[in-house]
Amino acid sequence: GQNIDQPTEMTATEGAIVQINCTYQTSGFNGLFWYQQHAGEAPTFLSYNVLDGLEEKGRFSSFLSRSKGYSYLLLKELQMKDSASYLCAVNGNNRLAFGKGNQVVVIP
Amino acid sequence: EAQVTQNPRYLITVTGKKLTVTCSQNMNHEYMSWYRQDPGLGLRQIYYSMNVEVTDKGDVPEGYKVSRKEKRNFPLILESPSPNQTSLYFCASSPGRSNQPQHFGDGTRLSIL
Repeated sequence: GQNIDQPTEMTATEGAIVQINCTYQTSGFNGLFWYQQHAGEAPTFLSYNVLDGLEEKGRFSSFLSRSKGYSYLLLKELQMKDSASYLCAVNGNNRLAFGKGNQVVVIP
Repeated sequence: EAQVTQNPRYLITVTGKKLTVTCSQNMNHEYMSWYRQDPGLGLRQIYYSMNVEVTDKGDVPEGYKVSRKEKRNFPLILESPSPNQTSLYFCASSPGRSNQPQHFGDGTRLSIL
């Protein structure tokens, strides 16, 4: 089976940088996804990592270390609209499993 | 517009009354999946389908059925709903390759009384 762990909630100030961590255990690792989900809405895709290192996409970056079973999502220049839950999802043996999500609250 | 469409969006019903939640995608995706989302438990996979006539159980399949007779449709069937199936349900699809993200429908909020 797969085991994915994310912290549950964090608060950050508008304009700041926040790092959301995800640790995982899986067999047949085939990539890690980050999704954003606003309350009551569908998850939307943010980033994908399959090789070690940093992927940058505008204000969002995602890092992966396969040997450590670890990823993080970095949100820069936080905006109020970034208040959402951030879900880490791991593809292991072509099955996708989601973490419980990390709720980020952005305050002025 | 590329999308995954679920119906209904909201439903309140009673224990034991069979119901179907429809899911349709217009992107010619091979892979489709159903999830339920509950507070504190995150998204959990119910069933998935790799292609037409190919379905498999996810992590929480008990009490649910699915079918995949056509590529675009993947209905979720609750033969005899119970209150513990009250949840927010999402359908998702993807091209099928492991590096492709899933596209989610807007969700269906089911309340079983």
